[in-house]
Amino acid sequence: DAGVTQSPTHLIKTRGQQVTLRCSPISGHKSVSWYQQVLGQGPQFIFQYYEKEERGRGNFPDRFSARQFPNYSSELNVNALLLGDSALYLCASSLTRLAMAGELFFGEGSRLTVL
Amino acid sequence: DQQVKQNSPSLSVQEGRISILNCDYTNSMFDYFLWYKKYPAEGPTFLISISSIKDKNEDGRFTVFLNKSAKHLSLHIVPSQPGDSAVYFCAASVTGNQFYFGTGTSLTVIP
Repeated sequence: DAGVTQSPTHLIKTRGQQVTLRCSPISGHKSVSWYQQVLGQGPQFIFQYYEKEERGRGNFPDRFSARQFPNYSSELNVNALLLGDSALYLCASSLTRLAMAGELFFGEGSRLTVL
Repeated sequence: DQQVKQNSPSLSVQEGRISILNCDYTNSMFDYFLWYKKYPAEGPTFLISISSIKDKNEDGRFTVFLNKSAKHLSLHIVPSQPGDSAVYFCAASVTGNQFYFGTGTSLTVIP
């Protein structure tokens, strides 16, 4: 079975540009969460979507937005990129909205570099 | 504000010995805790969990201890193996909602 897949795996953008990152959850999983991991730090929660609705939002500016599609895949959009947005963006999926018993599965991430 | 802290950025242990990774948290509402392991160029993979109704959970070589009064949890790996070399993150949540991660501890197991 395929795990959580993310695309692209690496990308380079310049300041002020916009980026879209994509995530396909594990088949049957209805919840997708996005995390940002800056070098040397732990993952930081950005969004959770469950059944196509936003269920949680972390402390990120409005330049960050996301959506979930009917097939439960998800996109994370970041506008007006800043140098500080350079990070590994991780997508995680779970069967239910509340991920218990280690049910949160991560993809390999999209490495974004902003120049 | 860092609600979950891992104060040891790195740890080196001899193969066969015990590895102890520590994690502290500040939010007393956290009731569910996870440990994840991360290899370079891979996403974090789930290792073991514990809920606040327990103070210990074991899975093979891995044991997690929770001290609620001290707001402290630890991961014990016995015996440590070279394949355990990775970055370990602890994470905490309120009933499995958004997870707060620590900054990670890089474990090196020396053969």
